[in-house]
Amino acid sequence: DGGITQSPKYLFRKEGQNVTLSCEQNLNHDAMYWYRQDPGQGLRLIYYSQIVNDFQKGDIAEGYSVSREKKESFPLTVTSAQKNPTAFYLCASSTPGTRGGSEQYFGPGTRLTVT
Amino acid sequence: EDKVVQSPLSLVVHEGDTVTLNCSYEVTNFRSLLWYKQEKKAPTFLFMLTSSGIEKKSGRLSSILDKKELSSILNITATQTGDSAIYLCATTQGGSEKLVFGKGTKLTVNP
Repeated sequence: DGGITQSPKYLFRKEGQNVTLSCEQNLNHDAMYWYRQDPGQGLRLIYYSQIVNDFQKGDIAEGYSVSREKKESFPLTVTSAQKNPTAFYLCASSTPGTRGGSEQYFGPGTRLTVT
Repeated sequence: EDKVVQSPLSLVVHEGDTVTLNCSYEVTNFRSLLWYKQEKKAPTFLFMLTSSGIEKKSGRLSSILDKKELSSILNITATQTGDSAIYLCATTQGGSEKLVFGKGTKLTVNP
């Protein structure tokens, strides 16, 4: 089955610890994205990558880091510098559309709680 | 700053009602507008609109884009409890695959 997987589903960490969220896709998509969702806030873009070994900051990149060493994988590290890390994190992927852009496919998300 | 605004932010209706959700946008170099439905976890794609005035339809859901008014509506007729979800609107811009999302409309359909 083609799709996007994120793990773990729930993650609990102590303040001050770095944590890495996994995102894997087997859709052969070139582009991958990380979003953060807070209640009443919609989705906000953290980082995105349009090609392997390249990525760009989104609107709220501070306190996060990513890597894109393989086409299928785009892990997100939430560092201790992120002031409010507790949130629902969604990974997505897409392939460039020939016209009008393309839809993004989303993974099931990881709910991170930092205490 | 690019922005997408959805209204209302939440809506409660009874089964069988018809609802209209609104999305307006102010983005540079607009390319397309997308609607997603989010029930519990992953948003699922509903529609992508690029041309003004052309309605897209899927069952009881339909959507249309008005580029002159910089807005789109999502209609759901004969609502069912399974339509309860957050409906997200997003736009893309030329030269980028990034999505700019609105805050979403939380729809609750009561039996």
